Amino acid sequence: KQEVTQIPAALSVPEGENLVLNCSFTDSAIYNLQWFRQDPGKGLTSLLLIQSSQREQTSGRLNASLDKSSGRSTLYIAASQPGDSATYLCAVKGNYGQNFVFGPGTRLSVLP
Amino acid sequence: DAGVIQSPRHEVTEMGQEVTLRCKPISGHDYLFWYRQTMMRGLELLIYFNNNVPIDDSGMPEDRFSAKMPNASFSTLKIQPSEPRDSAVYFCASSFIGLNTEAFFGQGTRLTVV
Repeated sequence: KQEVTQIPAALSVPEGENLVLNCSFTDSAIYNLQWFRQDPGKGLTSLLLIQSSQREQTSGRLNASLDKSSGRSTLYIAASQPGDSATYLCAVKGNYGQNFVFGPGTRLSVLP
Repeated sequence: DAGVIQSPRHEVTEMGQEVTLRCKPISGHDYLFWYRQTMMRGLELLIYFNNNVPIDDSGMPEDRFSAKMPNASFSTLKIQPSEPRDSAVYFCASSFIGLNTEAFFGQGTRLTVV
């Protein structure tokens, strides 16, 4: 059974810092990994999708990497802003079906 | 497209009552997913459909939960009878067919059973 963990559970940084969020999964037989952002009381917004054949994806200040063999992904946020404050979740899709298995999330606070 | 649309956004009901949550997926998407989010257990898959057919309902917690997708543009999740431990945020998501397609989520329905 696939299990996804995220470290740290919470993170507080001053504005302008670069930061890294970590995601680990137990079964490396995945098709892709998706990073989401969730604001309080809101739904999930897709940030980046990395296919299993890819090593990284970039969107603006966000860069996600994938090391399938070691079961790890990182989300790098450059020059963080208070507007980046949210919970970030990673989710993996494997050969067990079309659904995503989610990690517990990392709650990020960027202080002005 | 307006994205995945869920209704209602908030629902407060008394224990024992029937609750129906609704979802309209993104037009053209082949898959529809129902997830539940709680503080204790995070996001858990309840059931998902492919072209209106339920594929995996192993996440449905009990017989009190049922889901239907009568057509490609509408799905319901029903809880009957509801219990306080059902209180959670219920999300609907949809995606195109394919192994490397993104899932898009609705805003969720916050259910409180008192």
